[in-house]
Amino acid sequence: EIVLTQSPDFQSVTPKETVTITCRASQSIGFSLHWYQQKPYQSPKLLIKYASQSFSGVPSRFSGSGSGTDFTLTINSLEPEDAATYYCHQSSSLPRTFGQGTKLEIK
Amino acid sequence: QVQLQESGPGLVKPSDTLSLSCAVSGYSISSHHWWGWIRQPPGKRLEWIGYIYYSGSTYYNPSFQSRVTMSVDTSKNQFSLKMTSVTAVDTAVYFCARTESAAVGSPFDYWGQGTLVTVSS
Repeated sequence: EIVLTQSPDFQSVTPKETVTITCRASQSIGFSLHWYQQKPYQSPKLLIKYASQSFSGVPSRFSGSGSGTDFTLTINSLEPEDAATYYCHQSSSLPRTFGQGTKLEIK
Repeated sequence: QVQLQESGPGLVKPSDTLSLSCAVSGYSISSHHWWGWIRQPPGKRLEWIGYIYYSGSTYYNPSFQSRVTMSVDTSKNQFSLKMTSVTAVDTAVYFCARTESAAVGSPFDYWGQGTLVTVSS
């Protein structure tokens, strides 16, 4: 089973800052890495697919990069509504797995 | 607009069977996507349970392999999850979701709102 480890677990940031969240896979997964945003009491929402492709309707301040084992999600010019928990997810091999989540607090 | 809605008992007794359905609206379940179940125990990460295709083909997480069965009912445009011999560790919010394409490795693009299932006597 591929283990995804995110860092940091928690980050407190101010609006308009730029934040980077990383996801490291326990073995190479190519580009089969996706990012989701989850707000309290809501279902996850797809932000970035296949490491760097933006999902339809997602603001351009969200971007992704990486391949193999190391991936990043970058959020430029943070907005208050970006307060959420962010998860990475791999679809390279079975079973599908998710990272432990990064909780983003906007001060 | 694709919408998914989970339904089922919110409380299940230990050793009983958990049964959930996911009704799909605004889209045909017979289209070329995989339909999945994911759960989230309180305060924990998301956990993939498995996928089903409209034809009935399935992939299950080995962690649940012996306890899980998924099925699809194209006439009702819904799919279902059964998990046997539940214990307290199966307490979680259960989500149903659709993959973006027919490729089994595609991400989940539409999700249900989730339903909390508590396992307790």
